[in-house]
Amino acid sequence: QVLLVESGGGVVQPGRSLRLSCTASGFTFSNYGMHWVRQTPGKGLEWLGVIWHDGTNKYYADSAKVRFTISRDNSKNTLYLQMNSLRVDDTAIYYCARHQSLGETTSFDSWGQGTLVTVSS
Amino acid sequence: DIQMTQSPSSMSASIGDRVTITCRASENIDTYLNWYQQKPGKAPKLLIYATSSLQSGVPSRFSGSGSGTDFTLSISSLQPGDFATYFCQQSYVTPPTFGQGTKVEIK
Repeated sequence: QVLLVESGGGVVQPGRSLRLSCTASGFTFSNYGMHWVRQTPGKGLEWLGVIWHDGTNKYYADSAKVRFTISRDNSKNTLYLQMNSLRVDDTAIYYCARHQSLGETTSFDSWGQGTLVTVSS
Repeated sequence: DIQMTQSPSSMSASIGDRVTITCRASENIDTYLNWYQQKPGKAPKLLIYATSSLQSGVPSRFSGSGSGTDFTLSISSLQPGDFATYFCQQSYVTPPTFGQGTKVEIK
C-alpha cells in the first residue's frame, strides 16, 4: 500500500535551517507530483508547494516562495523540503502528500503521518 | 487566494444521525472541491473529490454535492469511526486552500 514517511522535524532556533524528508513506498514515486502541506491550530491546513513528478516544475505558496525549496530524488523515492531562516510562526506539523489527478480535478490522495517542527529560542 | 469557509465549526451528533457540513468558497470554483477527514494525531484522509466522487474505499454513507460557491458533505448515518474533523479544499486555482474544519463530536 502507499506509504509516505516524513522525517527531519524537531526543535530549531529562529533563523536556522532545517531539511525535511518524505520517503515513499508502495507506488512508483517518479510517476507522481508531490506536495508539502503544513498544519497549525491557528491557521489550519496551509499548502506550501508542489513539485512535478520529474522535478521539472515547482510552484510555491507566497508564504514559502522565498525561504522554502522543494526538491526530490526519484532514485531514492524521497521528497525534500529545505526551510531556511525559520521563524516562530513556521512552527507546525509538516505533511507530504501525493498528487492525484483525475480528469481536470486534483486532490491529495495519500498523506504522510507528519513531522513536527518547533521554532523556538 | 480563494477563501473557504465551513459551517458549523463544530457539532454534536449521535450514532445513526444524518450529518451535513457546509463549505462556501469566496468565489466560483465550479466543482473543484474535495473533502478530507482527519482524526486526532493522524493525517487527513481524502474522502470525496470533484464535489461528489467517492475516493476508493470510502463508505457510501458519505456523499457530497454542490457547485459554484456552495457545497455540502453529508453522512447518511453517523458511525463511531466518523467522529473526526472534516475539511473542504478547493483545487480550482493555485494555491489550493482549505476550510478551517468542522469537528464532529459525540452527543
